[in-house]
Amino acid sequence: NAGVTQTPKFRILKIGQSMTLQCTQDMNHNYMYWYRQDPGMGLKLIYYSVGAGITDKGEVPNGYNVSRSTTEDFPLRLELAAPSQTSVYFCASSRGGNYGYTFGSGTRLTVV
Amino acid sequence: QKEVEQNSGPLSVPEGAIASLNCTYSDRVSQSFFWYRQYSGKSPELIMSIYSNGDKEDGRFTAQLNKASQYVSLLIRDSQPSDSATYLCAVNGQDSSYKLIFGSGTRLLVRP
Repeated sequence: NAGVTQTPKFRILKIGQSMTLQCTQDMNHNYMYWYRQDPGMGLKLIYYSVGAGITDKGEVPNGYNVSRSTTEDFPLRLELAAPSQTSVYFCASSRGGNYGYTFGSGTRLTVV
Repeated sequence: QKEVEQNSGPLSVPEGAIASLNCTYSDRVSQSFFWYRQYSGKSPELIMSIYSNGDKEDGRFTAQLNKASQYVSLLIRDSQPSDSATYLCAVNGQDSSYKLIFGSGTRLLVRP
């Protein structure tokens, strides 16, 4: 029972490079979310999806993009990486309602 | 701007004591409330959820909700050094996306 799987766990990017953070869940959850967490701060919502083919912006979407072609996968794309995108990124999924989230283990990204 | 406020701490308690963690939220229509525990370098883990006014107990944990005062708390009885972590409060409104707004967390230190 894998839950939510994120890859990679760590990555160093140079300014201007691009990359995709992968997120896969095996719980057949419709709802998926991407958050970033900066040191000493709470989680800020980047993008979310309520089902395959449906995505929407969260609180801090600038510099990111997402797609949701299947129920299982919700990749996050960083275009033209900037130092301000240095953070820990968490993917989460939920069955909705009052069930809360299951989080992936996170991706620690450094942009230099 | 919907907000969730927590004291950043650290809250330091001796082993065996009761730890009391507090959270206030700004959106009166919020429906569901969650407490997550996050160990350093790890992802958040759901430990309690509460939806109705009053208390909800699960083992050593008790969540308390007062919607009139827009206040949620988490009590940890018989605190153990292994409870030392950051505790995140999260709130869900009536939004059908079930996205959560997180507080910045309270760091708890349990002294042996």
